[in-house]
Amino acid sequence: DVVLTQTPVAQPVTLGDQASISCRSSQSLVHSNGNTYLEWYLQKPGQSPQLLIYKVSNRFSGVPDRFIGSGSGSDFTLKISRVEPEDLGVYYCFQATHDPYTFGAGTKLELK
Amino acid sequence: QVQLQQSGAELVKPGSSVKISCKASGYTFTSYDMHWIKQQPGNGLEWIGWIYPGNGNTKYNQKFNGKATLTADKSSSTAYMQLSSLTSEDSAVYFCARWYYGGFFDYWGQGVMVTVSS
Repeated sequence: DVVLTQTPVAQPVTLGDQASISCRSSQSLVHSNGNTYLEWYLQKPGQSPQLLIYKVSNRFSGVPDRFIGSGSGSDFTLKISRVEPEDLGVYYCFQATHDPYTFGAGTKLELK
Repeated sequence: QVQLQQSGAELVKPGSSVKISCKASGYTFTSYDMHWIKQQPGNGLEWIGWIYPGNGNTKYNQKFNGKATLTADKSSSTAYMQLSSLTSEDSAVYFCARWYYGGFFDYWGQGVMVTVSS
């Protein structure tokens, strides 16, 4: 199975700061069709996960432009500029290139 | 608007089975894969598998072969997951999520907590 390693495990931030989360894959996430199915989800306390970014860098509908996904191959990053209170929660990367699909273990974005 | 409404919490005994549901509305149920995801308390997310309600095709994470069975009822736009031979390791919240063609989960159910306890 593809292992997605997220760092850090927890990211203490001050509101208005930038945050950065890394997601490294145990193998390339480039699909045979040329797409890279790497997504980022945010799970707020007591809620279901919600999609932020799909195919590495595409923001889902309604997601603010302070969320920026980047990367290629097996190395990916989610940057959040100017963290706001509603951004707090656990961020998961997810890959749908290889079977079985897998999630990273999560990164908790929390207030300092 | 698209909604995925899941059934209520379940308290079940070890060794038994449970069937949880995910009722879809606001879109053509038979046109999108429905996936299921497991989240154990305090833990991350684990992909279980998917069903395509249009023809009943399924795909499972090998880890859940024999544990989870996915079905769908087109007449009621409801997807189901049956979990069998339950142990404490099956105690978790289970989500259904719609898979959009672009290759992502765009809508999620609210989750169903299954507690396995004698």
